[in-house]
Order: sequence, then structure tokens, then C-alpha cells
Amino acid sequence: EVQLLESGGGLIQPGGSLTLSCAASGFTFSKSVMSWVRQAPGKGLEWLSTFTSSGSNKYYADSVKGRFTISRDNSKNTLYLQMNSLRADDTAVYYCAKQGFYYDRGYFDYWGQGTLVTVSS
Amino acid sequence: DIQMTQSPSSLSASVGDRVTIICRASQNIDSYVNWYQQRPGEAPKLLIYAASSLQNGVPSRFSGSRSGALFTLTISSLQPDDFATYYCQQSYNDARTFGQGTKLEIK
Repeated sequence: EVQLLESGGGLIQPGGSLTLSCAASGFTFSKSVMSWVRQAPGKGLEWLSTFTSSGSNKYYADSVKGRFTISRDNSKNTLYLQMNSLRADDTAVYYCAKQGFYYDRGYFDYWGQGTLVTVSS
Repeated sequence: DIQMTQSPSSLSASVGDRVTIICRASQNIDSYVNWYQQRPGEAPKLLIYAASSLQNGVPSRFSGSRSGALFTLTISSLQPDDFATYYCQQSYNDARTFGQGTKLEIK
């Protein structure tokens, strides 16, 4: 059974840093493309970042480029999101998601339960 | 970036109704569209991938189609479990943008 378990969320002051983790199991993590998606309170879904399985490519949304860094440790089956210079509008539930592919058409087939990050003084 | 314009933003319907949700892409994206359902307090769930392929385990009352840059999610006969928020998402490029969402409410 595929499981994704996020952790590391909490209350952080504006300008602070936080690292989220996503522990994966039930599939071959090292061969999977993984992403982070967030959802601000009462708002829609926002894709943030993707890390390819080969490790050679990382992609970021403009809203977090230069502030957030995606990484992975295949030996620990864990995906990370390092978040710096946090702002109030970064307050959201952060999900990690596994990507599946139909030929080259990607989709998010498994999601974690999410971890809440609140940026407030 | 590719914009995904979803409509309507909210919709009231009754059990047994047929409903359609539309997503328009800002450019041609072939069939690189997926649809998700999200119930309150839960993570999103994949319903349809590659515009019209039904994810394993998803009821057949859900279907997706494409006409040019216009994508449609149809629920043929609403069930109580279907009242949720629905999102389209494009995977044509690496910036995986979502539509704004459609909240489906009970009439």
C-alpha cells in the first residue's frame, strides 16, 4: 500500500525557516517523480515544486522560486521541502504527492494527508 | 505559465443529477489534463488522467473529455459522496498548474 506521511509543519514567525519531510513507503521511491502542492485556508491547490526520479531536474513555481528548495534522500525514502524567508501568505496545508505517468502525461496519483504550516508573529 | 480557467466556481445540484464542470486551458495542451476530487479535510483524490482515462477504483459515473483546449468532467448521476470540490490540472509543462476549483453543493 502506498503511503506518504508529511511532517515538520507548525507555527513559524515571518522571515523564518522550516523544513518539511515526506516519508514514502509501498512503492519504489527512487524511481518516482515527487512533488509538493499546497493549499491555503479556504483556497485552491497550488503546485510548488517537482523533483524528478533521476535527480537531475527540479522545478519550482514562481511564488517560491529562490525561497524554497526541494530535495530527496532515496536511501531514506524521504522527500524534503526547505522553506526560507517565510511570509504570511505561505500559510497553508502542504501536501507531498507522487506522480504517475500515462506515457508522458503525468498526474498526481497518491497524496499524503498534509501538514499545516502557519506563518504568524 | 499555462492558465487553467475552471467553471463554474460553485454548483448546486441534487442526487441523481447529471453535472458538468469545464476547464479551459490558455493554450493547446493536447490531452495533458487531470481531474481531482477533494472532500473537506481530506487530500485530493485522482479521478481522471490524460483527459479521459478513469483512475482505478473510481466509479464509472465519472468521465472526462476534451475538445481542443476545453476539458470537461461529467458526473452522470450524482451520489451523496460526490458533493465535494473538483479541480482540473495540466501536466503539459513542468509547472503543474491547477484550475481554481468547483465546489459542488447539495441543492
